[in-house]
Amino acid sequence: AQSVTQLDSQVPVFEEAPVELRCNYSSSVSVYLFWYVQYPNQGLQLLLKYLSGSTLVKGINGFEAEFNKSQTSFHLRKPSVHISDTAEYFCAVSLYSGGGADGLTFGKGTHLIIQP
Amino acid sequence: DAGVTQSPTHLIKTRGQQVTLRCSPKSGHDTVSWYQQALGQGPQFIFQYYEEEERQRGNFPDRFSGHQFPNYSSELNVNALLLGDSALYLCASSRQVGGYTFGSGTRLTVV
Repeated sequence: AQSVTQLDSQVPVFEEAPVELRCNYSSSVSVYLFWYVQYPNQGLQLLLKYLSGSTLVKGINGFEAEFNKSQTSFHLRKPSVHISDTAEYFCAVSLYSGGGADGLTFGKGTHLIIQP
Repeated sequence: DAGVTQSPTHLIKTRGQQVTLRCSPKSGHDTVSWYQQALGQGPQFIFQYYEEEERQRGNFPDRFSGHQFPNYSSELNVNALLLGDSALYLCASSRQVGGYTFGSGTRLTVV
């Protein structure tokens, strides 16, 4: 079975500073990788995904992530954060099995706190 | 184009009762998945429905059951509610790999 570890439960960052949210996964087979953002009292919004191809993936709101197969990592980065980026961020993996993608396995989340 | 719609948004139930949550997928999507998100935790996969059949199931007891209708909408049923079932229940729809769209969820409180 696959698993996801988000190494930091909380990351405080000053506004306009860069940020990296770390994600490692464990799986015996190839996986698809995702980052989602959740604002208070809302559902999940997809930031970006890696299905195949280029290991550097660009998403919405200026976020990007790099898939590193040897280190089984998929860290999320943003060069300059804004107050509006304050939210909970979830890394997730999915396997592919025949008729489509399996359900997502999520990490426990990282709370990104932007300080003015 | 409406996204994923879940109803109700909030509800309160008593221990031992049964509850039904509803989900309408995004237009063009044919696969529906359900997740349970406890406070302060990441979502946990309950099950996935495709072509009106349960295609995959996570590590949840049989008290959790579901259904998918011909129009692709779905229901999640939970019997014999426990206090620990209190959570945000999220529905996600998709049509192809990586195309998951989540609803805003149903907040269930069991008292």
